[in-house]
Amino acid sequence: SQTIHQWPATLVQPVGSPLSLECTVEGTSNPNLYWYRQAAGRGLQLLFYSVGIGQISSEVPQNLSASRPQDRQFILSSKKLLLSDSGFYLCASSRAGGDTGELFFGEGSRLTVL
Amino acid sequence: GQQLNQSPQSMFIQEGEDVSMNCTSSSIFNTWLWYKQDPGEGPVLLIALYKAGELTSNGRLTAQFGITRKDSFLNISASIPSDVGIYFCAGLRGNEKLTFGTGTRLTIIP
Repeated sequence: SQTIHQWPATLVQPVGSPLSLECTVEGTSNPNLYWYRQAAGRGLQLLFYSVGIGQISSEVPQNLSASRPQDRQFILSSKKLLLSDSGFYLCASSRAGGDTGELFFGEGSRLTVL
Repeated sequence: GQQLNQSPQSMFIQEGEDVSMNCTSSSIFNTWLWYKQDPGEGPVLLIALYKAGELTSNGRLTAQFGITRKDSFLNISASIPSDVGIYFCAGLRGNEKLTFGTGTRLTIIP
């Protein structure tokens, strides 16, 4: 099965600073990749998904961007963080072959913006 | 966008009790899935359902794909401490991306 690595696990950043969260996937090739955000005690909000290298779709307008420089690497970035960017960020990968709803999630990156 | 409403929002039960939770939508879905999230970690897939009326088990967990295709149910029998966490339903339809429910937080009272 797949393994999703995310880092850093925890991040405390001041408002206005940049952000880079990284995600790499092992055990599959050409997966669909996703970035989700989870506010405290809430559900999962899809931020970005990617069906291939350089292909990024954004689900909601926001202060964040995503990039996929390699097949199994997905990066979430921001040039200037806002307080509202705080949350638990989860990278996910689908099984090879597209969207069946079956996702493998990373362990998450907890971001606190002060 | 789609909304999946989970009920109850939270549950406090004693070890050994059975648990039931459900997920409803105003729209039809073609696939229903249940995920569990342990504190501070990413969700893990428990059960996937692909057909209306389907009943699938995974150990002490049993999930059903509602006949109307607008709901799904998850039951946990004889709960144990490691069942603690947040349970999310998720639905997939057409070419849309996966929609997650609002979650049911399960707490086991010693």
